[in-house]
Amino acid sequence: AQKITQTQPGMFVQEKEAVTLDCTYDTSDQSYGLFWYKQPSSGEMIFLIYQGSYDEQNATEGRYSLNFQKARKSANLVISASQLGDSAMYFCAMREAYSGNTPLVFGKGTRLSVIA
Amino acid sequence: GAVVSQHPSRVICKSGTSVKIECRSLDFQATTMFWYRQFPKQSLMLMATSNEGSKATYEQGVEKDKFLINHASLTLSTLTVTSAHPEDSSFYICSAMARRAEAFFGQGTRLTVV
Repeated sequence: AQKITQTQPGMFVQEKEAVTLDCTYDTSDQSYGLFWYKQPSSGEMIFLIYQGSYDEQNATEGRYSLNFQKARKSANLVISASQLGDSAMYFCAMREAYSGNTPLVFGKGTRLSVIA
Repeated sequence: GAVVSQHPSRVICKSGTSVKIECRSLDFQATTMFWYRQFPKQSLMLMATSNEGSKATYEQGVEKDKFLINHASLTLSTLTVTSAHPEDSSFYICSAMARRAEAFFGQGTRLTVV
């Protein structure tokens, strides 16, 4: 069974600084996808970034980058130049990459607070 | 990009009544949709997998007679909370896969049963 672990319940970061949110995973699948979502207080789930297990390069999307270390089974999210609007819950998730019928499995989340 | 629309965003209902939540994929066909439940300050927990044209698959501990799921078309899945009670108050959110690499979520429904 797939499992996602996020060990940081809460994180604080100064505005304009970079922050790393930790995520480790466990799976017996060879092919899988790793996701990060942002959930503001409104509740919507905002897709941030995706990393496939066979992708050789770390994924990047604007200020978001995913530090993928396959051997360590970690997929940390790095947010550069933090903004006040980045304050939210952040969830790491994974799923089997090549099956359309498998759901995302989520970690417990990390609440990020950006301080002015 | 792909959009999933979920309605209503908020609903307050009396105990004992039923509430229907709709999840619609707007610009793609979704043969599979997923329904999650989220309690305050907790993560998303999968309730069931909704398959177009067939019965939904429920996770262990989720009552299928209480949470009725219908996926009658490739763009619409509905979740009906039957005979709702205060303990059913929660945030319900649906998800659909547009491509293997992307999962899109509805806006979520905050249900309060009084």
